[in-house]
Amino acid sequence: NAGVTQTPKFRVLKTGQSMTLLCAQDMNHEYMYWYRQDPGMGLRLIHYSVGEGTTAKGEVPDGYNVSRLKKQNFLLGLESAAPSQTSVYFCATRKNTAGVNTQYFGPGTRLTVL
Amino acid sequence: DAKTTQPTSMDCAEGRAANLPCNHSTISGNEYVYWYRQIHSQGPQYIIHGLKNNETNEMASLIITEDRKSSTLILPHATLRDTAVYYCIVREGAKGSARQLTFGSGTQLTVLP
Repeated sequence: NAGVTQTPKFRVLKTGQSMTLLCAQDMNHEYMYWYRQDPGMGLRLIHYSVGEGTTAKGEVPDGYNVSRLKKQNFLLGLESAAPSQTSVYFCATRKNTAGVNTQYFGPGTRLTVL
Repeated sequence: DAKTTQPTSMDCAEGRAANLPCNHSTISGNEYVYWYRQIHSQGPQYIIHGLKNNETNEMASLIITEDRKSSTLILPHATLRDTAVYYCIVREGAKGSARQLTFGSGTQLTVLP
């Protein structure tokens, strides 16, 4: 039982390059999230999904796209990377228990855009 | 919106109990209190949650005051590996939305040898 995994763990991009971050979960959770965390700041929601085939925008969606073709995978894409997207990216899932919001996070992807 | 207030930092001696306070005076009747922690360079980790009653699990205990305006997370025997930022969260998105958790600044707990 791996929980939530993220690939890659580290990446360095040049401005304008594209990449895809992969989040995978084996807990059969419906909700999945992509957050970013900048130094000294809290987590900010980029996009989320409430189930296979669905996606929605969070607080800071500009410059990112997502897809949830399979329930266990949630992909975050950067079409044209910018230095402002240098951050640590965390994927999370939510356990669907009525009234209780327990989220499980991956180990993070550290992205640097030069 | 239920917001939380936590001390910026705390120290605790290894082997002693760590008591982390949180004020949430505007919490509404059906909002849970969640505690997460984030060890440096890792993803946040769920610790415990509660509504009205005190709760205990293998990681910690959660004491919620009767008026629910504050709570205390207790790590009974702190170890060096418990050094982390601890977040008290009572705010989540409304039903039908992302239901994301809103992480504030948290408390940096440093366990000293």
